[in-house]
Amino acid sequence: QLQLQESGPGLVKPSETLSLTCTVSGGSISSESYYWGWLRQPPGKGLEWIGSIYYSGSAYLNASLKSRVIISVDTSKNQFSLKLSSVTAADTAVYFCARHTTSYGAYGVYFQRWGQGTLVIVSS
Amino acid sequence: DIQMTQSPSSLSASVGDRVTITCRASQSILHYLNWYQHKPGKAPKLLIYVASTLQSGVSSRFSGSGSGTDFTLTISSLQPEDFATYYCQQGYGSPWTFGPGTKVEIK
Repeated sequence: QLQLQESGPGLVKPSETLSLTCTVSGGSISSESYYWGWLRQPPGKGLEWIGSIYYSGSAYLNASLKSRVIISVDTSKNQFSLKLSSVTAADTAVYFCARHTTSYGAYGVYFQRWGQGTLVIVSS
Repeated sequence: DIQMTQSPSSLSASVGDRVTITCRASQSILHYLNWYQHKPGKAPKLLIYVASTLQSGVSSRFSGSGSGTDFTLTISSLQPEDFATYYCQQGYGSPWTFGPGTKVEIK
């Protein structure tokens, strides 16, 4: 069964770069049918989609974060990664990775499988 | 961006109750509306996609309906394992956006 697991530092200093990796097991990240996405949920707030990447390396991002986000994929390791630069306290959140359908499919985009999330706190 | 709202923000219900949660989009999203269940510390779980299609393995007590801007999630007979927060999400246009959630608590 497909599983996703987020990993990375749980504490990041303000102005530094947050770096997280999602490891996919039980399935290949090189599937033509799916994108791999990052989302987050600040404490007490709703879910926000950050961006997504295809196994080919093609990525698209939420414009609200685009200037600070890089998403990359490593098919040899079955992993994809998130880098968020110039973080502030507002970036404190539980970060999730997830697999989602392609937007050009008949069913639109839905997030089919998620990791359990990792809390990242931005604090000095 | 397409804004999603949900009502109520929370509700208290008893085991066996019928529960209905409403989701509204700021513009028509046709039938591209999905529902998730989330319990603290766990991975969110897809329940329903394209408004009314039950994800494989999800109990048939969950059902969804609606189109355009107004959608509902119904739990026909609430079970102890259903106490969680429920989110809707539009899959019509990027950026993919979520409702603020409805927390279902034990009465």
